[in-house]
Amino acid sequence: EDQVTQSPEALRLQEGESSSLNCSYTVSGLRGLFWYRQDPGKGPEFLFTLYSAGEEKEKERLKATLTKKESFLHITAPKPEDSATYLCAVPSTTDSWGKLQFGAGTQVVVTP
Amino acid sequence: GAVVSQHPSWVICKSGTSVKIECRSLDFQATTMFWYRQFPKQSLMLMATSNEGSKATYEQGVEKDKFLINHASLTLSTLTVTSAHPEDSSFYICSAPGLAGAGIDEQYFGPGTRLTVT
Repeated sequence: EDQVTQSPEALRLQEGESSSLNCSYTVSGLRGLFWYRQDPGKGPEFLFTLYSAGEEKEKERLKATLTKKESFLHITAPKPEDSATYLCAVPSTTDSWGKLQFGAGTQVVVTP
Repeated sequence: GAVVSQHPSWVICKSGTSVKIECRSLDFQATTMFWYRQFPKQSLMLMATSNEGSKATYEQGVEKDKFLINHASLTLSTLTVTSAHPEDSSFYICSAPGLAGAGIDEQYFGPGTRLTVT
């Protein structure tokens, strides 16, 4: 059975303290991996799609990378506004990009 | 980016009543939308796929007679929770594929609807 596992469950950072979040997956024939940000009481906000091992994407202080077994979301010099839950997800079927299987998420708190 | 809205943003209902949640794509058409459910401290779980002009398809374990889905137009899908019970209390979120050319594999999520059944 396909699985998506995120670690750590929670992460507390000082402002400016860089760190990485992990998303490991056991999916046969991975077509892509998504990263989302979710604020409390809101829907997920799209961040990145990664398609193949070795691919990297950046957006402001965030950088996502992908290997054959896992993906990392690097947060460089985080600010308090980066506090959120970060979710990774993979398509659970081959016939649709919209059926996503999500990891449990990493809750990130950045303190001033 | 593509915008998906939901209405209402929160609703409280009594046990045994039905509640309708709307999901709209505001600046694009979506022949397919998806409904997810998120319990407190848990991640999103896919419930069903809403198909414009045809029946919805449900994930294993989701009762199709309890969660009625109607994709009335290319911009509107509705989820009706029938005979709601306290265990149906959850955060319901819809999604739709992004604009073609901008990455149709990007899924855009609505802001969610918090349902509380008393």
